[in-house]
Amino acid sequence: GENVEQHPSTLSVQEGDSAVIKCTYSDSASNYFPWYKQELGKRPQLIIDIRSNVGEKKDQRIAVTLNKTAKHFSLHITETQPEDSAVYFCAARLLDSSYKLIFGSGTRLLVRP
Amino acid sequence: GAVVSQHPSWVICKSGTSVKIECRSLDFQATTMFWYRQFPKQSLMLMATSNEGSKATYEQGVEKDKFLINHASLTLSTLTVTSAHPEDSSFYICSARDWGQGANQPQHFGDGTRLSIL
Repeated sequence: GENVEQHPSTLSVQEGDSAVIKCTYSDSASNYFPWYKQELGKRPQLIIDIRSNVGEKKDQRIAVTLNKTAKHFSLHITETQPEDSAVYFCAARLLDSSYKLIFGSGTRLLVRP
Repeated sequence: GAVVSQHPSWVICKSGTSVKIECRSLDFQATTMFWYRQFPKQSLMLMATSNEGSKATYEQGVEKDKFLINHASLTLSTLTVTSAHPEDSSFYICSARDWGQGANQPQHFGDGTRLSIL
């Protein structure tokens, strides 16, 4: 089955710097890769997603890149702000009728003011 | 936007009690809903896939007799933790797919239920 690995587990950056979180997946047939932000005790919120027919997608300060050959995808946050501090999860969707998402282990991002 | 409502948000009960958690899609129909469990500082672990009108599909290691799932309508799925014990204490979150959207669309999450078993 699909396995998603996420690194780093914790990331501390200075406000204004960039943050990069990386994920790898094992099933080459996976075709949809969302990123979620979760604040303490709250629901995961979708911040950006990418489909396998696209190599990069950007939404203001957030971008995601996908390398299908290497089976990895990354989240890039530029000009980080303290409110970006949260846990970020990557996920991969299996290419079958289950529509299941397999989540990475999460990255705790701390943006220091 | 798509809204998923989950109730209750917090439950504290005695060991041996059964607890029911509801997950509702408020403005869309969801043929498929997912139930996750999240322990502190850990990732979301998929427990089961709830399919409207049919039996749920459980992930390996999840006891189907312990975690009863019912998906009787296109907008409601319930998870019942039967005879709960302290080790069942966790954050339970549901998510739902919009039936009317294509395959590669995001899942919409509920607010989660924090279950504490004394």
